[in-house]
Amino acid sequence: GAGVSQTPSNKVTEKGKYVELRCDPISGHTALYWYRQSLGQGPEFLIYFQGTGAADDSGLPNDRFFAVRPEGSVSTLKIQRTERGDSAVYLCASSFGRGLGETQYFGPGTRLLVL
Amino acid sequence: QQPVQSPQAVILREGEDAVINCSSSKALYSVHWYRQKHGEAPVFLMILLKGGEQKGHEKISASFNEKKQQSSLYLTASQLSYSGTYFCGPELIYNNNDMRFGAGTRLTVKP
Repeated sequence: GAGVSQTPSNKVTEKGKYVELRCDPISGHTALYWYRQSLGQGPEFLIYFQGTGAADDSGLPNDRFFAVRPEGSVSTLKIQRTERGDSAVYLCASSFGRGLGETQYFGPGTRLLVL
Repeated sequence: QQPVQSPQAVILREGEDAVINCSSSKALYSVHWYRQKHGEAPVFLMILLKGGEQKGHEKISASFNEKKQQSSLYLTASQLSYSGTYFCGPELIYNNNDMRFGAGTRLTVKP
C-alpha cells in the first residue's frame, strides 16, 4: 500500500510570502502529525490531529503557522509571511490510532527554503 | 520534554558493536526508535512498551528501564547499512502519542 506522501518535495519562496504544504496520510490512519526538522536536529513537533480536529497544537512556533485537516484525511500546513528562519524540512507522519504505542510512519518531507 | 541522547556521534568498523542511549526527565509509557538516512524520512525501527513488551522489525535489540526513564539501542555486528542518524521518541504516560524526539545520534559504519 501507499505510504505517507507530501507535496511539494521542494519549495523555494521569498521572505514574506505565503506557502502551503500538503500531507496525504496512509489510508485509514486517523492520527496525523506535523514536524519541522532543521539540519542536524531531530524532528520538532508542531501539531497533531486526531480526525479533523487539532488535538495538540502546542508546537506551532507562532500564529503565522496554521494547519487544517477538514475531512480527516489530507492535511495542509500553512505558513504566512514566511521568514528565513522557517527554512527547514517539514515532515508529516500518520498513525493508525491515537493510543499509546502506535507507530508513526513518516513521509519524505517538504524542503522549504525561504530566501 | 525533549529526551537526551548519547553519544552525539559514533564511528564504527563493520562488525563492531554500538550502544545508543536515550533518557527522559518524565515518566514514560514507551520509547520509539527511528533511523534516518541523509535526505530521507525517519524510518521506524522499534518500540519498547511499558511492561517489557518489545516490537521491532530488524535485528536490532533495545532495552527500556521504566524506573530510570531510559532506553538503550544495541547494534551488534554492525553493517554498512546501519549508518544513519538514530532518534528516540519517548511517549510520556500523560501525553498520548505526543512525541518529542531527541537530537539524534549519528552513526557511521566504515568498511
